[in-house]
Amino acid sequence: DQQVKQNSPSLSVQEGRISILNCDYTNSMFDYFLWYKKYPAEGPTFLISISSIKDKNEDGRFTVFLNKSAKHLSLHIVPSQPGDSAVYFCQGNAGGTSYGKLTFGQGTILTVHP
Amino acid sequence: EAQVTQNPRYLITVTGKKLTVTCSQNMNHEYMSWYRQDPGLGLRQIYYSMNVEVTDKGDVPEGYKVSRKEKRNFPLILESPSPNQTSLYFCASSSSRMGATDTQYFGPGTRLTVL
Repeated sequence: DQQVKQNSPSLSVQEGRISILNCDYTNSMFDYFLWYKKYPAEGPTFLISISSIKDKNEDGRFTVFLNKSAKHLSLHIVPSQPGDSAVYFCQGNAGGTSYGKLTFGQGTILTVHP
Repeated sequence: EAQVTQNPRYLITVTGKKLTVTCSQNMNHEYMSWYRQDPGLGLRQIYYSMNVEVTDKGDVPEGYKVSRKEKRNFPLILESPSPNQTSLYFCASSSSRMGATDTQYFGPGTRLTVL
């Protein structure tokens, strides 16, 4: 049961345009979400997060939107840069007794063309 | 430098030959976890540890063992590797017992091939 889904395996955008990466989840117990970025031959690195009590969190060029009713979150990158080309993973976390068990999506490969 | 290290980085082995992938962090983190990354499946959690001597199963624990005897180390053990365990493995740690909300720091990965 894939509780976190990134249905777009890849996304290609032009430099300077907006990149929108999507993530859907099924577990209504998720109360915190994180996005990680991964370059080839490296481990993932943290990018941005959002608590379920918020619907938006912004950090520079990166903004994450959360729609709890739709169980959907999205990562917006504006403007996109070639250095943003990487694999992006969203992660959902449930509290309570499951707070150590972490679930990632399948990842989306973002390619930003100069 | 704060980091998570994994060894080896690359390993080719044969079916049934026991192996251990080491993971060490120098940030005094309580929480540590192992993941495998496979095409189309993303990162899947194998085992995690909330603190020394406290470990629990993730989503794909079959065929793996872990131990947490020291805070800094969290080795992944494959007692009898099989070809379906060919994958890219990542170790990660975070600073809080509430690993859910703290960001994780990942190691560089271990590419394992089981023939």
